[in-house]
Amino acid sequence: GAGVSQSPSNKVTEKGKDVELRCDPISGHTALYWYRQSLGQGLEFLIYFQGNSAPDKSGLPSDRFSAERTGGSVSTLTIQRTQQEDSAVYLCASSYDGSSGNTIYFGEGSWLTVV
Amino acid sequence: SQKIEQNSEALNIQEGKTATLTCNYTNYSPAYLQWYRQDPGRGPVFLLLIRENEKEKRKERLKVTFDTTLKQSLFHITASQPADSATYLCAPPPSNTGKLIFGQGTTLQVKP
Repeated sequence: GAGVSQSPSNKVTEKGKDVELRCDPISGHTALYWYRQSLGQGLEFLIYFQGNSAPDKSGLPSDRFSAERTGGSVSTLTIQRTQQEDSAVYLCASSYDGSSGNTIYFGEGSWLTVV
Repeated sequence: SQKIEQNSEALNIQEGKTATLTCNYTNYSPAYLQWYRQDPGRGPVFLLLIRENEKEKRKERLKVTFDTTLKQSLFHITASQPADSATYLCAPPPSNTGKLIFGQGTTLQVKP
Protein backbone atom coordinates (compact mmCIF):
# COMPACT_ATOMS: atom_id res chain seq x y z
CA GLY A 1 0.00 0.00 0.00
CA ALA A 2 0.91 3.65 -0.18
CA GLY A 3 1.53 3.95 3.52
CA VAL A 4 1.38 2.04 6.79
CA SER A 5 -2.23 1.24 7.52
CA GLN A 6 -3.56 0.51 11.00
CA SER A 7 -6.95 -0.65 12.18
CA PRO A 8 -9.04 0.06 14.06
CA SER A 9 -8.23 3.74 14.29
CA ASN A 10 -10.17 3.95 17.54
CA LYS A 11 -11.23 1.26 19.95
CA VAL A 12 -13.10 1.53 23.23
CA THR A 13 -13.19 -1.68 25.20
CA GLU A 14 -14.24 -2.82 28.63
CA LYS A 15 -11.65 -3.77 31.19
CA GLY A 16 -10.90 -7.47 30.98
CA LYS A 17 -11.73 -7.86 27.30
CA ASP A 18 -9.20 -8.89 24.66
CA VAL A 19 -8.33 -6.56 21.79
CA GLU A 20 -6.56 -7.13 18.52
CA LEU A 21 -4.82 -4.33 16.62
CA ARG A 22 -3.79 -4.72 13.02
CA CYS A 23 -0.94 -3.24 11.02
CA ASP A 24 -0.47 -3.44 7.27
CA PRO A 25 3.05 -2.20 6.43
CA ILE A 26 4.23 -0.59 3.23
CA SER A 27 4.41 -3.19 0.49
CA GLY A 28 7.87 -4.74 0.30
CA HIS A 29 8.96 -3.60 3.75
CA THR A 30 10.38 -6.50 5.72
CA ALA A 31 10.94 -4.63 8.99
CA LEU A 32 7.95 -3.85 11.20
CA TYR A 33 7.81 -2.13 14.59
CA TRP A 34 5.15 -1.66 17.26
CA TYR A 35 5.25 1.22 19.74
CA ARG A 36 2.97 2.40 22.51
CA GLN A 37 2.51 6.08 23.33
CA SER A 38 0.56 7.13 26.39
CA LEU A 39 -0.92 10.63 26.50
CA GLY A 40 1.84 13.23 26.67
CA GLN A 41 4.57 10.59 26.77
CA GLY A 42 7.29 9.40 24.42
CA LEU A 43 7.34 6.35 22.18
CA GLU A 44 7.72 3.08 24.05
CA PHE A 45 9.24 0.30 21.94
CA LEU A 46 7.20 -2.91 22.08
CA ILE A 47 8.48 -5.31 19.44
CA TYR A 48 10.35 -5.56 16.15
CA PHE A 49 9.77 -8.03 13.34
CA GLN A 50 12.20 -8.89 10.55
CA GLY A 51 10.04 -10.86 8.19
CA ASN A 52 7.97 -13.13 10.38
CA SER A 53 10.59 -13.34 13.15
CA ALA A 54 10.75 -11.19 16.25
CA PRO A 55 14.36 -11.15 17.49
CA ASP A 56 13.55 -8.66 20.24
CA LYS A 57 10.40 -9.05 22.32
CA SER A 58 11.89 -7.31 25.34
CA GLY A 59 9.58 -4.33 25.07
CA LEU A 60 6.32 -6.19 25.54
CA PRO A 61 5.04 -4.88 28.92
CA SER A 62 3.61 -8.15 30.20
CA ASP A 63 2.53 -11.62 29.13
CA ARG A 64 -0.89 -10.15 28.30
CA PHE A 65 0.71 -8.65 25.21
CA SER A 66 1.59 -10.71 22.16
CA ALA A 67 2.28 -10.01 18.53
CA GLU A 68 2.58 -12.01 15.40
CA ARG A 69 3.33 -11.47 11.77
CA THR A 70 2.44 -13.87 9.03
CA GLY A 71 3.42 -13.94 5.40
CA GLY A 72 6.00 -11.24 6.08
CA SER A 73 3.30 -8.62 5.81
CA VAL A 74 0.36 -7.94 8.14
CA SER A 75 1.01 -7.93 11.87
CA THR A 76 -1.41 -8.15 14.77
CA LEU A 77 -0.83 -6.96 18.32
CA THR A 78 -3.08 -8.68 20.83
CA ILE A 79 -3.74 -7.46 24.35
CA GLN A 80 -5.50 -9.95 26.58
CA ARG A 81 -7.55 -9.04 29.65
CA THR A 82 -7.13 -5.33 29.02
CA GLN A 83 -6.45 -2.99 31.93
CA GLN A 84 -7.03 0.75 32.15
CA GLU A 85 -3.28 1.38 32.03
CA ASP A 86 -3.27 -0.16 28.55
CA SER A 87 -5.09 2.95 27.27
CA ALA A 88 -2.76 4.57 24.77
CA VAL A 89 -2.16 4.97 21.08
CA TYR A 90 -0.44 1.99 19.52
CA LEU A 91 1.75 2.96 16.58
CA CYS A 92 3.03 0.64 13.92
CA ALA A 93 5.95 1.47 11.65
CA SER A 94 7.80 -0.23 8.83
CA SER A 95 11.07 0.16 6.98
CA TYR A 96 12.58 -1.43 3.92
CA ASP A 97 14.76 -4.02 5.65
CA GLY A 98 15.48 -2.69 9.13
CA SER A 99 19.11 -2.01 8.39
CA SER A 100 20.87 1.08 9.60
CA GLY A 101 19.87 4.24 7.89
CA ASN A 102 16.49 3.03 6.69
CA THR A 103 13.75 5.61 7.04
CA ILE A 104 10.98 4.48 9.36
CA TYR A 105 7.41 5.11 8.19
CA PHE A 106 4.68 5.28 10.80
CA GLY A 107 0.98 4.65 10.60
CA GLU A 108 -1.56 6.96 12.17
CA GLY A 109 -2.01 4.69 15.17
CA SER A 110 -4.78 2.78 16.89
CA TRP A 111 -6.22 4.71 19.82
CA LEU A 112 -7.21 2.31 22.57
CA THR A 113 -9.37 3.34 25.50
CA VAL A 114 -10.08 0.82 28.25
CA VAL A 115 -13.07 1.73 30.40
CA SER B 1 23.14 1.91 29.92
CA GLN B 2 22.72 3.63 26.57
CA LYS B 3 20.55 6.71 26.72
CA ILE B 4 19.06 9.24 24.35
CA GLU B 5 17.90 12.40 26.09
CA GLN B 6 15.95 15.38 24.85
CA ASN B 7 14.78 18.37 26.82
CA SER B 8 11.30 17.44 27.99
CA GLU B 9 10.38 21.04 28.66
CA ALA B 10 8.46 22.72 25.85
CA LEU B 11 10.28 25.34 23.83
CA ASN B 12 8.29 28.51 23.17
CA ILE B 13 9.61 30.99 20.64
CA GLN B 14 8.38 33.91 18.59
CA GLU B 15 7.68 33.53 14.88
CA GLY B 16 10.71 34.39 12.77
CA LYS B 17 13.25 33.35 15.41
CA THR B 18 15.52 30.31 15.22
CA ALA B 19 14.50 27.30 17.27
CA THR B 20 17.25 25.04 18.60
CA LEU B 21 16.49 21.60 20.01
CA THR B 22 19.01 19.30 21.66
CA CYS B 23 19.54 15.55 21.59
CA ASN B 24 22.19 14.12 23.93
CA TYR B 25 23.40 10.56 24.02
CA THR B 26 25.41 8.67 26.63
CA ASN B 27 27.32 5.40 26.84
CA TYR B 28 27.61 4.73 23.13
CA SER B 29 28.68 6.17 19.81
CA PRO B 30 25.87 6.13 17.27
CA ALA B 31 26.89 6.04 13.63
CA TYR B 32 24.07 8.45 12.86
CA LEU B 33 21.05 10.14 14.35
CA GLN B 34 17.64 10.63 12.79
CA TRP B 35 15.19 13.43 13.50
CA TYR B 36 11.43 13.05 13.26
CA ARG B 37 8.48 15.39 13.64
CA GLN B 38 5.26 14.35 15.38
CA ASP B 39 2.07 16.38 15.23
CA PRO B 40 -0.67 15.80 17.84
CA GLY B 41 -2.66 12.69 17.07
CA ARG B 42 -0.38 11.66 14.22
CA GLY B 43 2.50 9.26 13.73
CA PRO B 44 6.06 10.63 13.55
CA VAL B 45 7.42 11.68 10.16
CA PHE B 46 11.09 11.43 9.16
CA LEU B 47 12.90 14.73 8.61
CA LEU B 48 16.67 14.29 8.46
CA LEU B 49 19.49 11.82 9.09
CA ILE B 50 22.99 12.98 9.99
CA ARG B 51 25.97 10.65 10.10
CA GLU B 52 28.82 10.85 12.59
CA ASN B 53 31.26 12.03 9.93
CA GLU B 54 28.94 14.86 8.88
CA LYS B 55 29.26 17.99 10.93
CA GLU B 56 26.15 19.59 9.52
CA LYS B 57 23.22 18.81 7.27
CA ARG B 58 20.59 21.15 5.85
CA LYS B 59 17.15 20.80 4.33
CA GLU B 60 15.32 24.02 3.51
CA ARG B 61 14.94 25.86 6.85
CA LEU B 62 16.19 22.87 8.85
CA LYS B 63 19.77 22.35 9.98
CA VAL B 64 21.15 19.49 12.02
CA THR B 65 24.61 19.25 13.58
CA PHE B 66 26.39 16.28 15.11
CA ASP B 67 29.15 16.80 17.67
CA THR B 68 30.75 13.49 18.65
CA THR B 69 32.91 15.22 21.27
CA LEU B 70 29.95 16.69 23.10
CA LYS B 71 27.85 13.58 22.28
CA GLN B 72 25.13 15.85 21.04
CA SER B 73 23.03 16.68 18.01
CA LEU B 74 21.39 20.06 17.58
CA PHE B 75 18.31 20.60 15.43
CA HIS B 76 17.70 24.13 14.21
CA ILE B 77 14.68 25.63 12.49
CA THR B 78 15.41 29.05 11.07
CA ALA B 79 12.76 31.69 10.37
CA SER B 80 10.34 29.63 12.42
CA GLN B 81 6.62 29.65 11.61
CA PRO B 82 3.56 28.66 13.67
CA ALA B 83 3.23 25.65 11.34
CA ASP B 84 6.54 24.38 12.75
CA SER B 85 4.83 23.81 16.11
CA ALA B 86 5.12 20.09 16.84
CA THR B 87 7.12 17.59 18.87
CA TYR B 88 10.54 16.73 17.50
CA LEU B 89 12.12 13.36 18.21
CA CYS B 90 15.65 12.07 17.74
CA ALA B 91 16.56 8.44 17.24
CA PRO B 92 19.87 6.55 17.12
CA PRO B 93 20.44 3.47 14.95
CA PRO B 94 18.64 0.29 15.97
CA SER B 95 20.37 -2.21 18.22
CA ASN B 96 21.78 -5.43 16.79
CA THR B 97 18.41 -7.05 17.60
CA GLY B 98 16.56 -4.33 15.69
CA LYS B 99 15.31 -2.46 18.72
CA LEU B 100 14.80 1.15 17.67
CA ILE B 101 14.29 3.70 20.42
CA PHE B 102 13.37 7.36 20.30
CA GLY B 103 14.12 10.24 22.60
CA GLN B 104 11.21 11.58 24.64
CA GLY B 105 10.85 14.46 22.22
CA THR B 106 10.82 18.21 22.67
CA THR B 107 7.62 20.13 21.95
CA LEU B 108 8.12 23.36 20.04
CA GLN B 109 5.49 26.10 20.12
CA VAL B 110 5.99 28.98 17.69
CA LYS B 111 3.85 31.99 18.53
CA PRO B 112 2.71 34.44 15.84
